[in-house]
Amino acid sequence: QQQVKQSPQSLIVQKGGISIINCAYENTAFDYFPWYQQFPGKGPALLIAIRPDVSEKKEGRFTISFNKSAKQFSLHIMDSQPGDSATYFCAASKDNQGGKLIFGQGTELSVKP
Amino acid sequence: DGGITQSPKYLFRKEGQNVTLSCEQNLNHDAMYWYRQDPGQGLRLIYYSQIVNDFQKGDIAEGYSVSREKKESFPLTVTSAQKNPTAFYLCASSARMGERSNEKLFFGSGTQLSVL
Repeated sequence: QQQVKQSPQSLIVQKGGISIINCAYENTAFDYFPWYQQFPGKGPALLIAIRPDVSEKKEGRFTISFNKSAKQFSLHIMDSQPGDSATYFCAASKDNQGGKLIFGQGTELSVKP
Repeated sequence: DGGITQSPKYLFRKEGQNVTLSCEQNLNHDAMYWYRQDPGQGLRLIYYSQIVNDFQKGDIAEGYSVSREKKESFPLTVTSAQKNPTAFYLCASSARMGERSNEKLFFGSGTQLSVL
C-alpha cells in the first residue's frame, strides 16, 4: 500500500514533442503528489506538485494531471527540449508530512534534437 | 548562497568500517532528511529529524545512525552492520514538517559511497 509505481522506466522524445510519465498509487491517505527532476550527479529539485482537490495543475510547459478515482497521476512536458533530459521522479506523502516521501522508480527522459 | 552542502562527494568504505557522511544547511530549516538512491530505484527514506535533538527512523534505517545536535547539521553514519552500503546518499531539508506550505524538499548534491 505504500508503493508508488512509475512508468515508463525510460523515454525518448523528439525536440518539440510531448513527454508523458505516469504514476499509480494504492494508499488513499496520500494527499501530496510532487514531481522531482534530477540531473546526473545532482540532487533532485522540485518541479511541480499537486493535491487531490484539483485535477490538473500547470506551470509553464509542465502539467500534472490527477485522477483520484483511478489513483493515478501523470506529468506532461509540452514542447520538450534537450535541456529537459533528466531523470524524473513522482512521489507521494500523507498527513501533511511532505518531506516523508514515497518515490516512484524514476523515468530517464532523453530529448533528441 | 543558501543551500545544502554534502561532503565528501565520493567515499570508499572498507569491510567492517563505519563511515560518516556530512550534511550542512544554511536555510534555517527545521526538518532534515537522509535518502538513499540505488540505480533504477527511487529514493528511500533512511532517517529524518523534525527538530534538534530528535530524529525518527525512516523505511530503511537498519545499519545507519544519525545525530542532530545542531539545527544546521545532520550527519549520517553508515555502520558495518549495513551489508550493502553502495549507493548515492542524498540529504534534504524542508522548512517544517506538518505544514502544507512548507513541504518542498531542498536536496544536496549527494555522496556516492562505494565499498572497497
